[in-house]
Amino acid sequence: EAQVTQNPRYLITVTGKKLTVTCSQNMNHEYMSWYRQDPGLGLRQIYYSMNVEVTDKGDVPEGYKVSRKEKRNFPLILESPSPNQTSLYFCASSLQLHNTGELFFGEGSRLTVL
Amino acid sequence: QKEVEQNSGPLSVPEGAIASLNCTYSDRGSQSFFWYRQYSGKSPELIMSIYSNGDKEDGRFTAQLNKASQYVSLLIRDSQPSDSATYLCAGGGSYIPTFGRGTSLIVHP
Repeated sequence: EAQVTQNPRYLITVTGKKLTVTCSQNMNHEYMSWYRQDPGLGLRQIYYSMNVEVTDKGDVPEGYKVSRKEKRNFPLILESPSPNQTSLYFCASSLQLHNTGELFFGEGSRLTVL
Repeated sequence: QKEVEQNSGPLSVPEGAIASLNCTYSDRGSQSFFWYRQYSGKSPELIMSIYSNGDKEDGRFTAQLNKASQYVSLLIRDSQPSDSATYLCAGGGSYIPTFGRGTSLIVHP
């Protein structure tokens, strides 16, 4: 089954404790991206990746890091989480580089930073 | 700043009616547009893509694009309670698709 898998789905952590949210896709997609979704603000892109070792900032990259060492994986790293990073996070992938609006989303990771 | 604007709603329609969801965008360079459906607590799911002016139909859904007016719409015919969700409009043309904040649709029996 074609899918984008995120882990963990739910996480409560404390300020400053580094965490990683993993994302893996089994569709051989080249494009992958991370979004956060907040009430009233909609979906905002954090980082995206065009291919292995190629990443770039989205609209709200501050406080986040990513890496793309393998085509299927695109982890999101919060080096020192803060309460304003409490949000619902989605990983997404797309087959076509030139048409990256057709996105497959993971199930989401709800993060709470205390 | 590229923007995609949607009325947040909620839009309430009776079962069997036509639901009309609208979206405007600011970037004239946007070439492609997408409608996603998001049920409460779930991830967005792509339901329609449209790339050229005019209408595109898929089952009960019709997407309409008017590039001159920078306007995109989604019509849902014979609305069902299962269509109750938030509908996100997105504009593409670059590697950073821009999403609207979504319109909440409620279909009541």
